[in-house]
Amino acid sequence: GAVVSQHPSRVICKSGTSVKIECRSLDFQATTMFWYRQFPKQSLMLMATSNEGSKATYEQGVEKDKFLINHASLTLSTLTVTSAHPEDSSFYICSARDRGGTGKGANTEAFFGQGTRLTVV
Amino acid sequence: GQNIDQPTEMTATEGAIVQINCTYQTSGFNGLFWYQQHAGEAPTFLSYNVLDGLEEKGRFSSFLSRSKGYSYLLLKELQMKDSASYLCAVNNQAGTALIFGKGTTLSVSS
Repeated sequence: GAVVSQHPSRVICKSGTSVKIECRSLDFQATTMFWYRQFPKQSLMLMATSNEGSKATYEQGVEKDKFLINHASLTLSTLTVTSAHPEDSSFYICSARDRGGTGKGANTEAFFGQGTRLTVV
Repeated sequence: GQNIDQPTEMTATEGAIVQINCTYQTSGFNGLFWYQQHAGEAPTFLSYNVLDGLEEKGRFSSFLSRSKGYSYLLLKELQMKDSASYLCAVNNQAGTALIFGKGTTLSVSS
């Protein structure tokens, strides 16, 4: 299957600093990538859809100025958590679907990065 | 919007069969996915159903009834390594991103 790589896997930062998380599709091009957040023992919550070459689409309740998303190429999306606070501590995970250049790919499985465990102290 | 409901926790013993149910209400429907997630790891794809009926894949099977807005994941010959969270998911209205249920944590004991 397709491979999505996410980096770093774990990061600890001080309150008030910013953290950048990278998500790469290694063997396919992804015009769209997705960022999720997962609190302990809870499910994946979609934060935003990252669109190559255009602005990200954020889900209701997600602050776009706090969670900056950049999708500068067909294989890379980045999520920057700005001015991080302890309540931002969570598991962040990206995904992409290999649409093969046809249609929306609604029937294709989503491949996930390894996730990033962010701890803000 | 998309709404998904599944039990929070289930327990079973090695060698047994367990069925994890999922009900959904969606604006438009183009398939239902099941994923497995071990703690601290990324979800891995298990199955996809878009037509009514049962899809079998080794020890795992998934069933869909579109008229009832209902699916289940059937796990046979349970093994300890099957202890994980099982996530039911459907596409969002745009058909681009997956929207997940809260997940069912399955604990398999010996």
